[in-house]
Amino acid sequence: DTGVSQNPRHKITKRGQNVTFRCDPISEHNRLYWYRQTLGQGPEFLTYFQNEAQLEKSRLLSDRFSAERPKGSFSTLEIQRTEQGDSAMYLCASSLAQAGGYYGYTFGSGTRLTVV
Amino acid sequence: LAKTTQPISMDSYEGQEVNITCSHNNIATNDYITWYQQFPSQGPRFIIQGYKTKVTNEVASLFIPADRKSSTLSLPRVSLSDTAVYYCHLYNAGNMLTFGGGTRLMVKP
Repeated sequence: DTGVSQNPRHKITKRGQNVTFRCDPISEHNRLYWYRQTLGQGPEFLTYFQNEAQLEKSRLLSDRFSAERPKGSFSTLEIQRTEQGDSAMYLCASSLAQAGGYYGYTFGSGTRLTVV
Repeated sequence: LAKTTQPISMDSYEGQEVNITCSHNNIATNDYITWYQQFPSQGPRFIIQGYKTKVTNEVASLFIPADRKSSTLSLPRVSLSDTAVYYCHLYNAGNMLTFGGGTRLMVKP
């Protein structure tokens, strides 16, 4: 297993267009997270899945954002009608959560989105 | 909602020990304390986690006092490659938390 994989690494889009990012987590991890990070800031939580169920979504997350994790494997994050303020690094992470244990997130390298 | 506070930046020299302290006064009983390292254009990398007392692994030590209102990441004998941003993060299975602003560590020759 080569870790958490995110595609594409970079995406430039025009304002108003829709974009979709993909994340392939570590196969044995049951949790998958999406974070957004802007320059000079820490990662901001967006949403997370336990297996295929989306268990939490940030209240700050616009309705233009949607995430899926079909079959509890890879995940996609879609942003509709992109705005310049959506420009950021979108990070995916996965973890193994089980009773009595937490072993940290493994992050991917991120997808850098630029909205022009 | 628990929040973390760290120094914005720190400078050190190669070979020195670096201690970065994080304050989390409102830490919840179920929160684990975790630390991450991030290089430019990469995702954060998990370094160490703890719940209380001291934890040590091959790259760092984590000191947590009894009241758990703070934690200190200790990096022994830093090198230039340790120049990065270090984040303190509280993990709770029922409460996903955003990371704080992190500490920018600059290691000088």
